[in-house]
Amino acid sequence: EIVMTQTPLSSPVTLGQPASISCRSSQSLVHSDGNTYLSWLQQRPGQPPRLLVYKTSNRLSGVPDRFSGSGAGTDFTLKISRVGVEDVGVYYCMQTTQFPHTFGQGTKLEIK
Amino acid sequence: QVQLVESGGGVVQPGTSLRLSCAASGFTFRSHGMHWVRQAPGKGLEWVAVIWYDGSDKYYADSVKGRFTISRDNSKNMLFLQMDTLRVDDTATYFCARWGDDKRLDFWGQGTLVTVSS
Repeated sequence: EIVMTQTPLSSPVTLGQPASISCRSSQSLVHSDGNTYLSWLQQRPGQPPRLLVYKTSNRLSGVPDRFSGSGAGTDFTLKISRVGVEDVGVYYCMQTTQFPHTFGQGTKLEIK
Repeated sequence: QVQLVESGGGVVQPGTSLRLSCAASGFTFRSHGMHWVRQAPGKGLEWVAVIWYDGSDKYYADSVKGRFTISRDNSKNMLFLQMDTLRVDDTATYFCARWGDDKRLDFWGQGTLVTVSS
């Protein structure tokens, strides 16, 4: 099983400032087809998860461009260029390269 | 628009069974694989199971293998999770999610809460 490790687990951010979340996998997420299936999801309080980014750096349609994903191999990052009140919640990385799919522990984003 | 609506949750005793349902609409259900993901109260997300678009293949998390069975009825646009021999640590909100292109879980339901308690 691939273990996903996120840092930090909590991130207090000032409104309008950037935020960054890291995710490391215990083994490479490069699939045999050459793609890297790393996703980022947002879960606002009381809501189901919502997909933001897939295949490392592709934003789902409708996701604001202040969200960006990057990385390769075993190291990945989600960046929010300017944090807004609506961004408060828990962010998860998830690998879908291999079964069982696995999630990071979650990073709680809150406003300072 | 894509809609996924879970149902069937409730309070049950350890060792008993429960069947969850997920009603899908707004997309061609028979063309998409489907997943179940769960979240214990106050905890993170745990992937549970997946079923291929035509039901030909299934995978499970080790924690539920042999106790849970994922299935689907493409004629009714329904996904199911049969949960047997339930344990206290199966207590969670269970979400169904669509398996989209590029192996992404692109749409999620609101979830249904299962509480296993004596």
